[in-house]
Formats: sequence, C-alpha cells, structure tokens
Amino acid sequence: GDSVTQTEGLVTLTEGLPVMLNCTYQSTYSPFLFWYVQHLNEAPKLLLKSFTDNKRPEHQGFHATLHKSSSSFHLQKSSAQLSDSALYYCAYNTNTGKLTFGDGTVLTVKP
Amino acid sequence: ETAVFQTPNYHVTQVGNEVSFNCKQTLGHDTMYWYKQDSKKLLKIMFSYNNKQLIVNETVPRRFSPQSSDKAHLNLRIKSVEPEDSAVYLCASSGDVANTEVFFGKGTRLTVV
Repeated sequence: GDSVTQTEGLVTLTEGLPVMLNCTYQSTYSPFLFWYVQHLNEAPKLLLKSFTDNKRPEHQGFHATLHKSSSSFHLQKSSAQLSDSALYYCAYNTNTGKLTFGDGTVLTVKP
Repeated sequence: ETAVFQTPNYHVTQVGNEVSFNCKQTLGHDTMYWYKQDSKKLLKIMFSYNNKQLIVNETVPRRFSPQSSDKAHLNLRIKSVEPEDSAVYLCASSGDVANTEVFFGKGTRLTVV
C-alpha cells in the first residue's frame, strides 16, 4: 500500500549547521508530497509542497526536491536556526481526500 | 492566524463517558478532517468530509462518530471513551480533496482517567 517513511525520529544539531530530514514514499500513483511543521503547543502547518513541474519549493530557508527516481522528498536547509526546533512531518496526498503523514521527526537545534 | 476553531481545548473524563468535540472553519473550504495525534506524536487520519459527505473513514472504532451540519462544521462524538482514546484530536480543512493546503486547528487534548 501507499506509505511515507521518515527514517529519523530525532535529529539534534548545532545552530548554523545544515539540516537534512529524510522522506521517502511508496505509491502506486504519483502522489503530491508535503512537509508540515508543528511547533510546541501549536497546530501543524504547511511548510512546503511538491510541484508537478519539477520546480523546487522553498520557504523560510527550507527547500525540498521531489526525486521520482528515488521516491524521495528530503527537507533541507543550509543553516539551522534555534527557531527551527520543531516536529516535522512528511505527508502525501493521492487526491483521494486523505493526507497521510509519516511518523514525524523531532528537530532540536542547540546553540 | 487561526481559521479552524476547536472547542474545548482540553477535556478530562472518566472511562465510559461520552464526549463531543466541536470544530468550525471560516475559510469557506469544502473538505474537513479529523486527525488523532497520540502520545508518540503519530498523526493519523480518522475521517474526511467533502461537502458534508463522508469520503474517508479509516479503521476507527464504532464509538467514534463524526457529525457535519454544514460545510463549515465538523464535530466528533465518542460514545464511551476508553483509556487509549487519550490523545490530541486535530480538526482540519482544505479547499478540496486534491493537492491543496490543509489547515489545522490547535486541537482538543482528551485525557481519559
């Protein structure tokens, strides 16, 4: 069945270092991929979504590239900030009215 | 800015009681959802409604029942709560069922004692 996998449950790094959170998917169809971020005591909100025309979405310094060959949509940022500490979900939608989330990755950025 | 409103924010109840959670969205969206976020932060869809019609019903115990009076409202009732129902219940909405952004409310935290 369709699924999305985030390999790391916890990522801890020092401010200023690059960030990469992994996301791979398995789908019979070509899904739309998303990254959602949830800060402490807040609602999850959209960070990025994939485009059909291979454009690279960017927001708040984060970017992700959809690679159909490797079924991946990894989230990257060149330099982590303390305010990036949050829970990050990769998710996919196959236009069936169901946005399915990965297990999430907790990113902790230390000074 | 919040546009998906959930009440209550918190609810503590005993095993076997009935609870109801309310959700309203002011975005004019056609599709609304209920998600459950458990203690491990796993986020699982429970139900999805499009234009007041149920379109997604995951494997959810029968004691859970969604109720939609119009496109802007989607409530959730749990008939007889059990300890494993303790979680944060997140309501959400989107413009349609396709590749559009899903907007979440802040959630209702249910604790069953």
